[in-house]
Amino acid sequence: EDKVVQSPLSLVVHEGDTVTLNCSYEVTNFRSLLWYKQEKKAPTFLFMLTSSGIEKKSGRLSSILDKKELSSILNITATQTGDSAIYLCAVEGTSGTYKYIFGTGTRLKVLA
Amino acid sequence: KAGVTQTPRYLIKTRGQQVTLSCSPISGHRSVSWYQQTPGQGLQFLFEYFSETQRNKGNFPGRFSGRQFSNSRSEMNVSTLELGDSALYLCASSSGVSNYGYTFGSGTRLTVV
Repeated sequence: EDKVVQSPLSLVVHEGDTVTLNCSYEVTNFRSLLWYKQEKKAPTFLFMLTSSGIEKKSGRLSSILDKKELSSILNITATQTGDSAIYLCAVEGTSGTYKYIFGTGTRLKVLA
Repeated sequence: KAGVTQTPRYLIKTRGQQVTLSCSPISGHRSVSWYQQTPGQGLQFLFEYFSETQRNKGNFPGRFSGRQFSNSRSEMNVSTLELGDSALYLCASSSGVSNYGYTFGSGTRLTVV
């Protein structure tokens, strides 16, 4: 059965810290991996990764995919209180259809 | 460009009742997917509609159903509500072509009492 596992489940850090969130997957016919940030209700898109070893970067956030290890990491440097959210990883992997399987998320809290 | 619109935002229903949730995707998007989000289970895939056809279905009982109209708007119906159906129901739209990801709506918070 296809699955996506995120770790840690929750994390509390102080402003200015750097955090690394992990996502590992077991899916059939991997197509892409996505990261989302969910603050209140609607998850908002962060990155889409399809190729191994290529880092995607947006400001203080970056992410990289390792297809050999079937995993991805999301890094946030110089964290701010506004980074407090649930970070969701999703993988598209079902042959012939476009279904995304989500992990349960990592809840990040950044303290001032 | 308007985003994904879900209505209603909040809903309180009694066990045994049925409920219909609505989702209007981004203009031009033909794929609508529905997810159930609960604290313990995360986002669980319900189903995906593309051009009025159900293209994929998750592991939910038959009480959960959906449909998509010719204008791509989608509805989700849950019959014979149970307490465990209390959740945030998220709708996501996409063009239907891979590698473009989803845009989510703000969800409908359903509480079953």
